[in-house]
Order: sequence, then C-alpha cells, then structure tokens
Amino acid sequence: DTEVTQTPKHLVMGMTNKKSLKCEQHMGHRAMYWYKQKAKKPPELMFVYSYEKLSINESVPSRFSPECPNSSLLNLHLHALQPEDSALYLCASSPRRSHEQFFGPGTRLTVL
Amino acid sequence: DQQVKQNSPSLSVQEGRISILNCDYTNSMFDYFLWYKKYPAEGPTFLISISSIKDKNEDGRFTVFLNKSAKHLSLHIVPSQPGDSAVYFCAATTAAGNKLTFGGGTRVLVKP
Repeated sequence: DTEVTQTPKHLVMGMTNKKSLKCEQHMGHRAMYWYKQKAKKPPELMFVYSYEKLSINESVPSRFSPECPNSSLLNLHLHALQPEDSALYLCASSPRRSHEQFFGPGTRLTVL
Repeated sequence: DQQVKQNSPSLSVQEGRISILNCDYTNSMFDYFLWYKKYPAEGPTFLISISSIKDKNEDGRFTVFLNKSAKHLSLHIVPSQPGDSAVYFCAATTAAGNKLTFGGGTRVLVKP
C-alpha cells in the first residue's frame, strides 16, 4: 500500500456541528501532517506529528483538534468552525529521515 | 513575508516544447527543495527534489536546477505533454526540519 487515504472526500457542516476528518497510511511513515489549502493558494501547514507525538502546531485555533491514535492514523476533530474555515484539508506523511512528503487527496470542507 | 516565491502565476506552452518553471527563496537556511504537481480537487503529487549539495537532479522528463548563490531553482519539463497541465508548487525545508514552505504555485497549460 503506497498511498495516503483521506475520508470523507467532501464534508458540509454547520457552525455548531462536531465532525472529524480521517487520514490513514500504511507505508510505515512516522511523520504525519495536516495542511489547509484555500483556493488559488499554496498548502499551509497546521500540525505535524512525529512518532505519534505532536511536534508542530502552527498556532492553529483550538476549534481544530488533531489526534494521532497510532502510527497509521491521523484525525482532525472539528468543532464550532467558521465559514472562513472552508477549504481543502490535506493530510501528508513522510518516511523517517526524508524530506519528501506524500499527500492524500484531501477533504473538501464547507462550513455553512 | 513570503520565503518561497513563484513569480509567474501561469505558463502556457506548446506540446513537445520545454516548460521552465522558476522559484526564488530568501531563507538561507533552506537546504532541500521539492517540486509538487497538483490537479484540481486532488492532493499535491511529489515530482522531484534536490539537495543543496547538488546543482542538478534529473528524473525522466523532469530536471531541477539549483543556484544557491542566487537562491533560485527551476524545473524543466522536456518534452511537455498535455497531461502535464496542472499547478506546480515548489517547496523548501531546512536540514533539520520537516516543515515544508510552499511557493504560491504556477499554473501550466500545455496546448496540443
């Protein structure tokens, strides 16, 4: 298995909803990432997990809560989001001692 | 402050000709550079990378050139094919870090 998978592909939620995004990889990568990408902009890093521990939080609002239950799974829990949080949320993983990051297809999130 | 810049937002090229994409950076601590290709509604796909100890890396139709003194890199695609039409992002990272900093992207259109 040589890919990063993300579910769901699309998500529409209200500002009072609680939802979660899921990311999975079975390549044995020990670093996993969440990025946010707005239209016509580059991906912006949100969180980095290294060996299941949060190593980077790019000052992301607390309404986004990451979780890494094991080395293959990465979740992003969403609560009380704002319409401006609508974006493509990308998950990535990278092998140990490698700078190359491999991205999943993303979850297109719309907050109403 | 944009540390990685792609000054050409778009590029149009005839099929079979060369596509040249440019990228400039300001952070002298960057020492590893990557190019990603992105289709709409998909995650970025890793293309090719280069370490600062090299000035050229080639993989099939893709060649990346690095000019450290000018803090400039470029991606050459020869020959260009219609399937190459996508947005291309350059990204950079430091030796110790696993945080990618992306440029703004260049949209390439290859005309048949």
